[in-house]
Amino acid sequence: AQSVTQLGSHVSVSEGALVLLRCNYSSSVPPYLFWYVQYPNQGLQLLLKYTSAATLVKGINGFEAEFKKSETSFHLTKPSAHMSDAAEYFCAVSSNTGNQFYFGTGTSLTVIP
Amino acid sequence: DVKVTQSSRYLVKRTGEKVFLECVQDMDHENMFWYRQDPGLGLRLIYFSYDVKMKEKGDIPEGYSVSREKKERFSLILESASTNQTSMYLCASRAGLAGVRETQYFGPGTRLLVL
Repeated sequence: AQSVTQLGSHVSVSEGALVLLRCNYSSSVPPYLFWYVQYPNQGLQLLLKYTSAATLVKGINGFEAEFKKSETSFHLTKPSAHMSDAAEYFCAVSSNTGNQFYFGTGTSLTVIP
Repeated sequence: DVKVTQSSRYLVKRTGEKVFLECVQDMDHENMFWYRQDPGLGLRLIYFSYDVKMKEKGDIPEGYSVSREKKERFSLILESASTNQTSMYLCASRAGLAGVRETQYFGPGTRLLVL
């Protein structure tokens, strides 16, 4: 069975501050991990993904995430928040033994000017 | 670029009506998915299809059915709409016959209100 847990349904940061969105996964097989972003009234857009290559993954818009097997984590970071980063962020897990993605419940990011 | 389109952005229906939500993708993807998104619950999989005329139930299929007569089109059907089906519905598609390292591409969503 696979699942993800996103700690913190709402995160607020000041403009220019570090963004850290947490994701922990559960998987009995090697996982593939994804971060998606959803802007208001839009569908989901891929930010980055981990598919067993480099453990530090760089994505679009200055985001990156690090796969840590020992901690079963895939936290999303950005060094300096921008107003345009305000959105909902979803972590998802899958594997090569199934056909589904399993999404977390999402984290809403607010950026304070 | 992959494009996934959904027939309506906003839809208002009455209880008991039959509702069709259409999704079309233009990248010849084998797999297509229907999710519903509700606050605090994230995305929940309703149905998916890995080939024409093939379908599999997801986590919450009750009250829904699907149709995939052509590879590019995947329809979600609410046989008799109820107020607890008021939600945001998201369609997605993905390449590959097996394995899920490939990216899922999402449509813009349909916000359905059932009165």
